[in-house]
Amino acid sequence: QKEVEQDPGPLSVPEGAIVSLNCTYSNSAFQYFMWYRQYSRKGPELLMYTYSSGNKEDGRFTAQVDKSSKYISLFIRDSQPSDSATYLCAIPNTGGFKTIFGAGTRLFVKA
Amino acid sequence: NAGVTQTPKFQVLKTGQSMTLQCAQDMNHNSMYWYRQDPGMGLRLIYYSASEGTTDKGEVPNGYNVSRLNKREFSLRLESAAPSQTSVYFCASSVHRGRGNTIYFGEGSWLTVV
Repeated sequence: QKEVEQDPGPLSVPEGAIVSLNCTYSNSAFQYFMWYRQYSRKGPELLMYTYSSGNKEDGRFTAQVDKSSKYISLFIRDSQPSDSATYLCAIPNTGGFKTIFGAGTRLFVKA
Repeated sequence: NAGVTQTPKFQVLKTGQSMTLQCAQDMNHNSMYWYRQDPGMGLRLIYYSASEGTTDKGEVPNGYNVSRLNKREFSLRLESAAPSQTSVYFCASSVHRGRGNTIYFGEGSWLTVV
């Protein structure tokens, strides 16, 4: 079993839809959870991060962590064509220097 | 804002050739990384340098060597390229190696080994 699992998609939605992107993880000791966004032919960039359980909101984006289920989610409200990208969940291991990345979910938002 | 700069952006190699990917960051970060990204595999860590003067193996180090030339620069060398090393390579850096630390990526180097 991989330490972090993420459905690679692709996921195609119409403009304005609510998007839900998800990852599962196996190690209950993980405490920091991150989401990176990667546009085509670019490097990933940090979108959001959360510590422990709960929700964190930033504009149209909400990151949610459910430690009891080892499940993390990223919600995008009122999705825009400019949100079309690959979204990678990322979890630093307990040592911190080996961040484990999910495979990435490719999202297409159609105008 | 240069951030993390890596060269070359595109390279085609023949099997058995060698090459070095160059990376530099201007954010005064302590830690630097080399990742490869393959379809369906996500980002996999090849080598990292927690601080100047140190390097350590990541998840997939075989076939690669690295040099942390100074605090700014971290190079990745393929001594004898193989088709399995066809991938997109990302250099990255972070302030330090602590948990929750943001990793800043370069724009990637597309390498094809034929």
